[in-house]
Amino acid sequence: KNQVEQSPQSLIILEGKNCTLQCNYTVSPFSNLRWYKQDTGRGPVSLTIMTFSENTKSNGRYTATLDADTKQSSLHITASQLSDSASYICVVSAKLPGNMLTFGGGTRLMVKP
Amino acid sequence: DAGVIQSPRHEVTEMGQEVTLRCKPISGHNSLFWYRQTMMRGLELLIYFNNNVPIDDSGMPEDRFSAKMPNASFSTLKIQPSEPRDSAVYFCASSLAAGENYGYTFGSGTRLTVV
Repeated sequence: KNQVEQSPQSLIILEGKNCTLQCNYTVSPFSNLRWYKQDTGRGPVSLTIMTFSENTKSNGRYTATLDADTKQSSLHITASQLSDSASYICVVSAKLPGNMLTFGGGTRLMVKP
Repeated sequence: DAGVIQSPRHEVTEMGQEVTLRCKPISGHNSLFWYRQTMMRGLELLIYFNNNVPIDDSGMPEDRFSAKMPNASFSTLKIQPSEPRDSAVYFCASSLAAGENYGYTFGSGTRLTVV
């Protein structure tokens, strides 16, 4: 069964600090991995999308890594800001016809001043 | 483009009533997806359409749920009769195609509360 596990479930950090969110998956056959940011009361917004051959991808202060061998990904947030407070969802896509996205449960990040 | 537009943003209804959620995808996107999000189960795919045709509705919980896409710019998700366990946030998303390499744009969701 395709699964995506994220950790931690929730995280509180001080403004300006860095943090790293983890994602482990068992989706097969693997196609790509996406990180989404979901603000409270809003729909998820894509941060990065990584294919099998990509190890690192950055989007501003967000840097995602992918290890396809160990089936792990991380999202590193540098110099956190209050606006980073949100849920971060890891989504893995299988190389199958149509839409085969498997969603992680998300990490709820709170950045405090 | 205004993005994916969903209405209403909030819906409170009594158990047993019919509920209709609406979605307008991004113009030019050929695939439309309905998701449900709860604290317990996270985001779950209910159904998706490609070129207005339902492709996979295996995620639809039961016969009380139905979805239609009469044209490329409009889709509805209907629950009849509604039950308290249907309370969730329902998201609509669209993409250029349903392939795994296409980006998905989500709407802001409809928060449904069934009392």
